[in-house]
Amino acid sequence: GQNIDQPTEMTATEGAIVQINCTYQTSGFNGLFWYQQHAGEAPTFLSYNVLDGLEEKGRFSSFLSRSKGYSYLLLKELQMKDSASYLCALMDSNYQLIWGAGTKLIIKP
Amino acid sequence: GAVVSQHPSRVICKSGTSVKIECRSLDFQATTMFWYRQFPKQSLMLMATSNEGSKATYEQGVEKDKFLINHASLTLSTLTVTSAHPEDSSFYICSARLAGGPGPQETQYFGPGTRLLVL
Repeated sequence: GQNIDQPTEMTATEGAIVQINCTYQTSGFNGLFWYQQHAGEAPTFLSYNVLDGLEEKGRFSSFLSRSKGYSYLLLKELQMKDSASYLCALMDSNYQLIWGAGTKLIIKP
Repeated sequence: GAVVSQHPSRVICKSGTSVKIECRSLDFQATTMFWYRQFPKQSLMLMATSNEGSKATYEQGVEKDKFLINHASLTLSTLTVTSAHPEDSSFYICSARLAGGPGPQETQYFGPGTRLLVL
């Protein structure tokens, strides 16, 4: 079967750096996505990793280790608007997305 | 690019009535669209996968006769909640993706969601 685990909630300070981890178990793998979801809104696409390594996109970076079943989303220079839930989603062998429960990130001034 | 619209954004209806929600891909053709439901402070729950020109595939526990899905064109899918009841009140979100193999083409782009309240 498949399983995705990410922390329920994290708190960080404006201007700092935060790393949100996601671990998974799956028999088939076609990539891992990170989405951002503000309260009351739909998710928006942040990143996609299918090969090992770090993908950098502005203040946000995403890392993947397939052998360890591990990914993280790194947010730098945190801004208040980064307060949101961050969803890790695994694409299985049927190209279906398996969603994590999301990590609520709280940014404090 | 990759804009998905959803209409209406918010709807309040009486118990027993039916509600139709539209999902449109505005600048790309989506052979596959997905319908999700999200209750407060919970993660997305996939309801069904909608493929253009064929019947939708429903997730276990989702009543196909209650949640009617039609994907009549490459840019439009509709979800009709039939005989809605208060427990159907939720945030309904659609997403769309392009055809193709693995890679960014498999990215799902989400509509803004529809908040349904059944009285």
